[in-house]
Amino acid sequence: EVQLQQSGAELVKPGASVKLSCTASGFNIKDTYMHWVKQRPEQGLEWIGRIDPANGNTKYDPKFQGKATITADTSSNTAYLQLSSLTSEDTAVYYCARARDYAPFAYWGQGTLVTVSA
Amino acid sequence: ENVLTQSPAIMSASPGEKVTMTCRASSSVSSSYLHWYQQKSGASPKLWIYSTSNLASGVPARFSGSGSGTSYSLTISSVEAEDAATYYCQQYSGYPYTFGGGTKLEIK
Repeated sequence: EVQLQQSGAELVKPGASVKLSCTASGFNIKDTYMHWVKQRPEQGLEWIGRIDPANGNTKYDPKFQGKATITADTSSNTAYLQLSSLTSEDTAVYYCARARDYAPFAYWGQGTLVTVSA
Repeated sequence: ENVLTQSPAIMSASPGEKVTMTCRASSSVSSSYLHWYQQKSGASPKLWIYSTSNLASGVPARFSGSGSGTSYSLTISSVEAEDAATYYCQQYSGYPYTFGGGTKLEIK
C-alpha cells in the first residue's frame, strides 16, 4: 500500500528555518517525483516544487525560489522540504505528493502544519 | 505561468440538484493534464477526476468532467450531502504546476 507519512507539526520563530520530512512506503521514491504543496489557512493550494530523487534534479515555482529547498534521501525513501527566513506568510499546512511529470497527484501525505510565531 | 480561475468561489445546492463548476485557464491546457481534486475540511486533497473526464477510483458516477483548451468543468448530476467540499482544478502545461482557487460546495 502506498503511503506518505509526514513529520509532525512545527512551531517556529520568525526568521528561523524548518525542515519537514515525507517518508514513503509501498514504493521507491527513485521511481517517481516528489512534490510539495502549500496551503495557508482557509486558502487554496500552491505548488512549491518537486524533486527527482533519482538524480536530485529540482524544479520550483519562482515564488518559492530562495524560500524553499527540496531534497531527498533515497536510502531512507524520504523527501524533505526546508523553509528558510520564516515569516507569518509561511504559516500553512505543507503537503507532499508523488507524481511523475504530466501525471495527477494520486497520493498525498497527511500534511504538516507549520506555525510561525514569536 | 498558466493561471487557473475557478467559478463560482462558493456555491450552495440542495440534495438532488445538478451543479456545474468551471475552471478557466489563461493559456490552453492539454485535456490530458487537467485534473480535479476534492478536499474536505481538515483533510488532504484527494484526486477526483484526472485528465479532464476520468473518475478516480471510488468516485461516484454522478460526477463528470469535460472541457478542452482553456475551459473545463466539473458537474455533479444529483448532489448528495457527502459532496460538500472544496474542489480544485490543477494543470500541468510546463512548470510551474498551478491550481485554481477552488470552488466550495455547500449543501443546503
